[in-house]
Amino acid sequence: GQNIDQPTEMTATEGAIVQINCTYQTSGFNGLFWYQQHAGEAPTFLSYNVLDGLEEKGRFSSFLSRSKGYSYLLLKELQMKDSASYLCAVEDSNYQLIWGAGTKLIIKP
Amino acid sequence: ETGVTQTPRHLVMGMTNKKSLKCEQHLGHNAMYWYKQSAKKPLELMFVYSLEERVENNSVPSRFSPECPNSSHLFLHLHTLQPEDSALYLCASSQDPRGGYNEQFFGPGTRLTVL
Repeated sequence: GQNIDQPTEMTATEGAIVQINCTYQTSGFNGLFWYQQHAGEAPTFLSYNVLDGLEEKGRFSSFLSRSKGYSYLLLKELQMKDSASYLCAVEDSNYQLIWGAGTKLIIKP
Repeated sequence: ETGVTQTPRHLVMGMTNKKSLKCEQHLGHNAMYWYKQSAKKPLELMFVYSLEERVENNSVPSRFSPECPNSSHLFLHLHTLQPEDSALYLCASSQDPRGGYNEQFFGPGTRLTVL
């Protein structure tokens, strides 16, 4: 079967750094996405990795290791507005997205 | 604003009612999706339409019926729902995913409560 695992909830302090991990087992691999979803709002695209390595975009970075079936999202200089759920999704061999249950990130002052 | 709109935003219905959810995308995409999002569960893909043809139906109960009249509009018709169908229903769109990059753009969702 297909499976995406990520922690249910994490807590971090404003100004700090947090790493959200995602492991996956899927039928084929055409890339991995990270989305952010604030409570009551639509998920919005954060990053995409298809090759191994680190992709940096401002305060957010995403890493991929295809051999390990592993990715992480790194958030630096945390702000209160970063409190949200972070969704990991893998595009499988049928070009459909397989989703994790999301990680709820709580930022404390 | 992601370019995908959904109405209504909130819906409360009884188990014997019939209602429809509407989604419209203004992004020029040719694939549209219905997802169900329940608390602490992964997004569940319900239906996919690509170029207005249904390409996936993941064993969704027949009380959910999709309709895609054109590439910009998508409906989800609901009838005789069960309380366990209460959830957030999200619509999304993308370019034809068979190009290998399936970034999806989501609407704000309809919060459905079945009494």
